[in-house]
Amino acid sequence: AQKITQTQPGMFVQEKEAVTLDCTYDTSDQSYGLFWYKQPSSGEMIFLIYQGSYDEQNATEGRYSLNFQKARKSANLVISASQLGDSAMYFCAMRVEAGSYQLTFGKGTKLSVIP
Amino acid sequence: KAGVTQTPRYLIKTRGQQVTLSCSPISGHRSVSWYQQTPGQGLQFLFEYFSETQRNKGNFPGRFSGRQFSNSRSEMNVSTLELGDSALYLCASSLSRERNTEAFFGQGTRLTVV
Repeated sequence: AQKITQTQPGMFVQEKEAVTLDCTYDTSDQSYGLFWYKQPSSGEMIFLIYQGSYDEQNATEGRYSLNFQKARKSANLVISASQLGDSAMYFCAMRVEAGSYQLTFGKGTKLSVIP
Repeated sequence: KAGVTQTPRYLIKTRGQQVTLSCSPISGHRSVSWYQQTPGQGLQFLFEYFSETQRNKGNFPGRFSGRQFSNSRSEMNVSTLELGDSALYLCASSLSRERNTEAFFGQGTRLTVV
């Protein structure tokens, strides 16, 4: 079975500062994908970034980057230059089976950006 | 390009009733999956449909069922509603079932059972 752990229920960051959201995972599979989603108060889950287990380089998408440390089984999300609109819940998720689109989610981290 | 559309957005039902939720995926997407989100349990996988066939099912009772139509639209049904079924139900669609394919989510249907 797969498990995602997000140990930070809530985080505060000053506007324009960088912030790191932690995510550790547990799986016995060698091939898997890691995802980060943002969920504003409206409820929609917004895809941010993806990292494959065999990807040698850390993924980046604009202000988002994923600090992937395979040996430590961690996939931390780094948001640079935080904006007020970044205030939301952030979920780390994992998918292991190539034949099934099932995501296993962590409990999430609530990020609040302070002006 | 239209995103994933879920209807209705909000729903209030009474215990014992049944409910049907609808999800229209992004055009061209054939995989549709459903998730239940509650404050206590977080996001939990319900089931996934691909080409009108259920491919995978989460650990939910048989009261939860679904189907997918030939145009990839999907419906989820919950029978004999319980108070604990109150949740945000999210639908996601993806272009393929490859591991690196992201899922795009709708805004969800917020179900309240009273």
